[in-house]
Amino acid sequence: DGGITQSPKYLFRKEGQNVTLSCEQNLNHDAMYWYRQDPGQGLRLIYYSQIVNDFQKGDIAEGYSVSREKKESFPLTVTSAQKNPTAFYLCASSGQIGTEAFFGQGTRLTVV
Amino acid sequence: GIQVEQSPPDLILQEGANSTLRCNFSDSVNNLQWFHQNPWGQLINLFYIPSGTKQNGRLSATTVATERYSLLYISSSQTTDSGVYFCAVGNYGGATNKLIFGTGTLLAVQP
Repeated sequence: DGGITQSPKYLFRKEGQNVTLSCEQNLNHDAMYWYRQDPGQGLRLIYYSQIVNDFQKGDIAEGYSVSREKKESFPLTVTSAQKNPTAFYLCASSGQIGTEAFFGQGTRLTVV
Repeated sequence: GIQVEQSPPDLILQEGANSTLRCNFSDSVNNLQWFHQNPWGQLINLFYIPSGTKQNGRLSATTVATERYSLLYISSSQTTDSGVYFCAVGNYGGATNKLIFGTGTLLAVQP
């Protein structure tokens, strides 16, 4: 099936550790995005990528890093510099930036 | 940047009732999407509607870009319609090269 796959669904991290969230798409989309959602709120953009080997900071990039070495993959690393990482993380893709975006099922990250 | 306001913030309906959700935005957009977030957190695409009117079954949407608002209509609501509805807008190639979300409308449909 075509779509966007995020893994894992649930992730627990100890304070001070870096963790990487996976996002893979087989839709042949050029653009990919990472959003963060906190309880009762909308989504805020962390990073986005319009094309392989290129990415841009969103509104809340501090404490996060990304890479885009392959068209299909856009992993997000939550570093120890992110002071409040507990949240729901959603990955999306679109054919080009600005066209209809589709989302994965999300990763729920909890710091313990 | 563009501000996105959704109303009402919360809505409780009896099964079978109709409803209208509104999305206002503060600047020109060339991308507008409506999503339904289910209880498991997944965002389901409802409409990609930067302008005009679209219908899909019991749901329809209208965007009046010149007046900077969009409406989502839900007719004959069902309990499975419950969840959060988000509007998201973007102005790609302009000042806001990203998809900006409103804070959503929480809909509860009671049997």
